[in-house]
Amino acid sequence: DSGVTQTPKHLITATGQRVTLRCSPRSGDLSVYWYQQSLDQGLQFLIQYYNGEERAKGNILERFSAQQFPDLHSELNLSSLELGDSALYFCASSVGQFGGYTFGSGTRLTVV
Amino acid sequence: SQQGEEDPQALSIQEGENATMNCSYKTSINNLQWYRQNSGRGLVHLILIRSNEREKHSGRLRVTLDTSKKSSSLLITASRAADTASYFCATDGGKAAGNKLTFGGGTRVLVKP
Repeated sequence: DSGVTQTPKHLITATGQRVTLRCSPRSGDLSVYWYQQSLDQGLQFLIQYYNGEERAKGNILERFSAQQFPDLHSELNLSSLELGDSALYFCASSVGQFGGYTFGSGTRLTVV
Repeated sequence: SQQGEEDPQALSIQEGENATMNCSYKTSINNLQWYRQNSGRGLVHLILIRSNEREKHSGRLRVTLDTSKKSSSLLITASRAADTASYFCATDGGKAAGNKLTFGGGTRVLVKP
């Protein structure tokens, strides 16, 4: 157990639907990062939050949004899902700028 | 887009042999990190090397960094079957970049018993 908790572990949903992925960072970590891993695109950075505020944005589609709550857990919302959104979605957390990330075990999203 | 390019994409070795993989990147970095991923699982942080460091060791792992060539290498010595995994380098562009990590495409390592 890495200390970063992601739920659910697996999700199967239909095209056009909306899902929410949840992440609880490791205790004491203020930064939360979301990544998408697919076979063709590799690991792509989506978005980062630090202590509730958006800090950096990557290749995140407009159909996707995220937020970090006062208790520091984060949610990634994916809407109008397409087949190509099928991927592993990872959340990672870190204390600050000189440490490595701690990754969760991911949510495998399958859009059918 | 990916910052790091890893070479080779795949590597197959016998148990006990050394495995070396390389990572090249394009922009300046604050630090470079290596991660391991077992099939379909989360990534595990292995080692971090800062931009002012040239070499770092952790157990059977040795990482080098050449900022003039914008490249890094990861050496796994005396490999074991349990080292079978994908290995990713990731660059941290520093505070200005939000300390986000940009990952390479990874090297798939197969260690045969």
